[in-house]
Amino acid sequence: AQSVTQLGSHVSVSEGALVLLRCNYSSSVPPYLFWYVQYPNQGLQLLLKYTSAATLVKGINGFEAEFKKSETSFHLTKPSAHMSDAAEYFCAVSEGSGYSTLTFGKGTMLLVSP
Amino acid sequence: DAGITQSPRHKVTETGTPVTLRCHQTENHRYMYWYRQDPGHGLRLIHYSYGVKDTDKGEVSDGYSVSRSKTEDFLLTLESATSSQTSVYFCAISPRDAWEEQYFGPGTRLTVT
Repeated sequence: AQSVTQLGSHVSVSEGALVLLRCNYSSSVPPYLFWYVQYPNQGLQLLLKYTSAATLVKGINGFEAEFKKSETSFHLTKPSAHMSDAAEYFCAVSEGSGYSTLTFGKGTMLLVSP
Repeated sequence: DAGITQSPRHKVTETGTPVTLRCHQTENHRYMYWYRQDPGHGLRLIHYSYGVKDTDKGEVSDGYSVSRSKTEDFLLTLESATSSQTSVYFCAISPRDAWEEQYFGPGTRLTVT
């Protein structure tokens, strides 16, 4: 069975500071991993995905994530936060085969202060 | 943006009444999904479809049924709504396989009083 743990339901940063959102996964097979962003009153938007190619994945809006098998992690980072980055972020995992669907973490709310 | 619409966008209904939510896509994608989003729970899969008339249960399917008679439409029905089904419901689609990325609709906010 697959699962995702997102450390911290809320993360606060100052504008211009590094953003680090943590995601650890559990999967019995090599996983596919995803980060989504949700702005208020909107649906989820795909930020980036890992599908067993390069371990460092670049996404939209300057975000990137690194797949670390030994740590079962897929943390999301951005060098410099913008006010517009304030949103809820979800990590998701799938087992990349058959009818395996996505399992989502509970989300991390990113707060950006001026 | 993926062509996904949900209707209605907001609905208030009374306990015990039936409710049907509609998801419509213009992408001709094979897979369609219904999720509910609740504070502290993230997104939880209710049902999904892997083709016309082909559906399967997700994590929280009790009290919900679905139907897919056309590729573009996926209906979620609450046969007898309860207050515990107050939530925001999202439809999603994916083009080829269930394990790949999904694209989400704008959501339906349902309140059961």
